[in-house]
Amino acid sequence: KQEVTQIPAALSVPEGENLVLNCSFTDSAIYNLQWFRQDPGKGLTSLLLIQSSQREQTSGRLNASLDKSSGRSTLYIAASQPGDSATYLCAVKVTSGSRLTFGEGTQLTVNP
Amino acid sequence: GAGVSQSPSNKVTEKGKDVELRCDPISGHTALYWYRQRLGQGLEFLIYFQGNSAPDKSGLPSDRFSAERTGESVSTLTIQRTQQEDSAVYLCASSLGLAFDEQYFGPGTRLTVT
Repeated sequence: KQEVTQIPAALSVPEGENLVLNCSFTDSAIYNLQWFRQDPGKGLTSLLLIQSSQREQTSGRLNASLDKSSGRSTLYIAASQPGDSATYLCAVKVTSGSRLTFGEGTQLTVNP
Repeated sequence: GAGVSQSPSNKVTEKGKDVELRCDPISGHTALYWYRQRLGQGLEFLIYFQGNSAPDKSGLPSDRFSAERTGESVSTLTIQRTQQEDSAVYLCASSLGLAFDEQYFGPGTRLTVT
């Protein structure tokens, strides 16, 4: 059974700092990995999708990497801003089905 | 274009009553998913529809939960005889239905069972 773990559970940083969020998964047989952000009381917004054959994806100040063999992904946020404050969720799509298996998220607070 | 929409946005119901939650996927998306997010917890998969194939119901927590989808359009999730532990945000997502594609989520329905 695929399990996804995110560390840390919560993170508070000053504005402008670069930061890394971590995601690990137990079964390396995945189709892809998605990073989402969730704002309080809202749905999920997709940030980056990395296919199993890719090593990284970039969008603006965000960079996500994938190391399938070690079962890890990282989300790097450069020059953090207060508007980045949200919960960040990592999810993997497993080979045997099309559902996403989610981690419990990292709650990020960027202080002005 | 329009994203995934869900209704109602909030629902408060008494224990024992039935509720219906609705999801309108993105037009052209053949795959539709329901997930549940309890307070302070991660998202749990409930059910998955892909075109005309039999749905994957393996995530439904009990026989009080059921879902339907007509073709490649609207889906309804029904919870019968609601219990307090059913209180959660119910999220719907849709995708093109390909192996490598991206899922797009709706805003969710917050269900509170009193």
